[in-house]
Amino acid sequence: ETGVTQTPRHLVMGMTNKKSLKCEQHLGHNAMYWYKQSAKKPLELMFVYSLEERVENNSVPSRFSPECPNSSHLFLHLHTLQPEDSALYLCASSQNTGTGVEQYFGPGTRLTVT
Amino acid sequence: EDKVVQSPLSLVVHEGDTVTLNCSYEVTNFRSLLWYKQEKKAPTFLFMLTSSGIEKKSGRLSSILDKKELFSILNITATQTGDSAVYLCAVGGQKLVFGQGTRLTINP
Repeated sequence: ETGVTQTPRHLVMGMTNKKSLKCEQHLGHNAMYWYKQSAKKPLELMFVYSLEERVENNSVPSRFSPECPNSSHLFLHLHTLQPEDSALYLCASSQNTGTGVEQYFGPGTRLTVT
Repeated sequence: EDKVVQSPLSLVVHEGDTVTLNCSYEVTNFRSLLWYKQEKKAPTFLFMLTSSGIEKKSGRLSSILDKKELFSILNITATQTGDSAVYLCAVGGQKLVFGQGTRLTINP
């Protein structure tokens, strides 16, 4: 247990569905992240939030919409996804957004788009 | 563009062997290099290295950073089947950039 939880752990959705991924951290951290991990590719940083404010958006398609209502919760809203969006989506948190700071990862949501 | 390259991509050894995993990088404004172990889902933190030549050690695992030659190695001695995992290297510069990982398999 890293102190970061994600739900659901597995999700299968059709291309016309709308769903949301949820992440919660119990570490008192100020920064939260969404990553995408596809087969045989490095971890890709999608979004970074610092104190509920989005500080980075790495050219992610608009069908992925993040929301950070407070420093402990992070959502990723999904709509009209494509099959190539199937991947493991990992949430992480850290004390701040400095790149020399350790990030703690959640268990991930395995997403399959049919 | 910042880049992190890990080698080998895949490694299969027998229990008891010693392995060395490599991570080379090119990043702007280097701040730190981190190693993670990923077994099934969430990567778990192993080491953070910021200074050259200082070995970090935890049990059978150790790691060292060479900031002049821009690489790090992760050593695992007396490997066990529980060491089987993907080992990720990440380098913090302008942002945190991950390598592709090394898939290590330890056969009994």
